[in-house]
Amino acid sequence: TQLLEQSPQFLSIQEGENLTVYCNSSSVFSSLQWYRQEPGEGPVLLVTVVTGGEVKKLKRLTFQFGDARKDSSLHITAAQPGDTGLYLCAGLRQYGNKLVFGAGTILRVKS
Amino acid sequence: DSGVTQTPKHLITATGQRVTLRCSPRSGDLSVYWYQQSLDQGLQFLIHYYNGEERAKGNILERFSAQQFPDLHSELNLSSLELGDSALYFCASSSSGEDTEAFFGQGTRLTVV
Repeated sequence: TQLLEQSPQFLSIQEGENLTVYCNSSSVFSSLQWYRQEPGEGPVLLVTVVTGGEVKKLKRLTFQFGDARKDSSLHITAAQPGDTGLYLCAGLRQYGNKLVFGAGTILRVKS
Repeated sequence: DSGVTQTPKHLITATGQRVTLRCSPRSGDLSVYWYQQSLDQGLQFLIHYYNGEERAKGNILERFSAQQFPDLHSELNLSSLELGDSALYFCASSSSGEDTEAFFGQGTRLTVV
């Protein structure tokens, strides 16, 4: 059982559509990070959210940290083929200072 | 380019063999983390070194070992390899001893045949 559950596992959409990826847990995290990984590459950090309720925007990507710091979401507006990749959330445990990763969401944006 | 260098990029070896994966962290980073990524298990934390000392162990098998050298590069040794060890192995580095923002290398794809 994953400490961080990501959903959906796989998402295939048309260019221009909007989408949301979720990252949920029953544990509290002191911070949460989102990474994007392309085939043959390592994960690349997109954003870190620290405060409960925090919202961060990165161009067409909007990241939100839940009020209780147990969950997060990533919303992409007007998806483009270049957004295709594996999106991973990773939480820093409140105690123990270990970064744990979700299983990831594979996003495919078709042109 | 994350600044983290991993070699080799690809490795094919037979069962029962031993291999060494190498990682050079970003300049100035003291922490090195090793992860294993497979299709069924996702990204699994193996081990963390900070400034030459082991900081934390994750799901690392006894057949696997790692070390961090005085110049801060790290090596992950995998022995008595099994087919199930085939995976992507990533190294990540960060500036502090606490798990903060990690910068990943491009990984080593290990195939055990």
